[in-house]
Amino acid sequence: NAGVTQTPKFQVLKTGQSMTLQCAQDMNHEYMSWYRQDPGMGLRLIHYSVGAGITDQGEVPNGYNVSRSTTEDFPLRLLSAAPSQTSVYFCASSYSRLAGGGHEQFFGPGTRLTVL
Amino acid sequence: DAKTTQPPSMDCAEGRAANLPCNHSTISGNEYVYWYRQIHSQGPQYIIHGLKNNETNEMASLIITEDRKSSTLILPHATLRDTAVYYCIVRVAGAAGNKLTFGGGTRVLVKP
Repeated sequence: NAGVTQTPKFQVLKTGQSMTLQCAQDMNHEYMSWYRQDPGMGLRLIHYSVGAGITDQGEVPNGYNVSRSTTEDFPLRLLSAAPSQTSVYFCASSYSRLAGGGHEQFFGPGTRLTVL
Repeated sequence: DAKTTQPPSMDCAEGRAANLPCNHSTISGNEYVYWYRQIHSQGPQYIIHGLKNNETNEMASLIITEDRKSSTLILPHATLRDTAVYYCIVRVAGAAGNKLTFGGGTRVLVKP
């Protein structure tokens, strides 16, 4: 298993540009999430999904969109990038409680985004 | 989710046990205690979790007090590769997509 993969590893955008951060997992996990981590801070939840076609907002959703058309993929879209979105973005996945999981989350390696 | 309090940093000698405390005095009966660590800007890594009983796995041991208001993560023989930020998180398992609320964590430096 490749686990949780994220692309790209690094990205530089200009203010106002849009882009999509990709996240994929091959563990058949129902739950997937996006977090951001600013320098010296803990991770904060942006959006999450409990299954294909179901998404919900986390703590800091403004400026981001998500969709979940398949179990494997959970892309994060920046609509109009702003310098305040400069951060490291982590994707995570896990089994649901119904599937006997709900404890361990698996994180990807992160995407380092700079908005100029 | 219950709030947790951890010391901001601690040092540990290589080969010795590292004991990381966490206070969670407002924990509810259905909330679990989770420990994750983050090694130098990598994605966080799950270590262990527990509800009431003490737990042990290949990475660490988790000791939860009888009143569940605090816990201690024990790394039995710390190595240089254990240098990381350790996060204690309390939450209901399965809620809100298993979301994790990260605080400041404890920055652990293992010294030779």
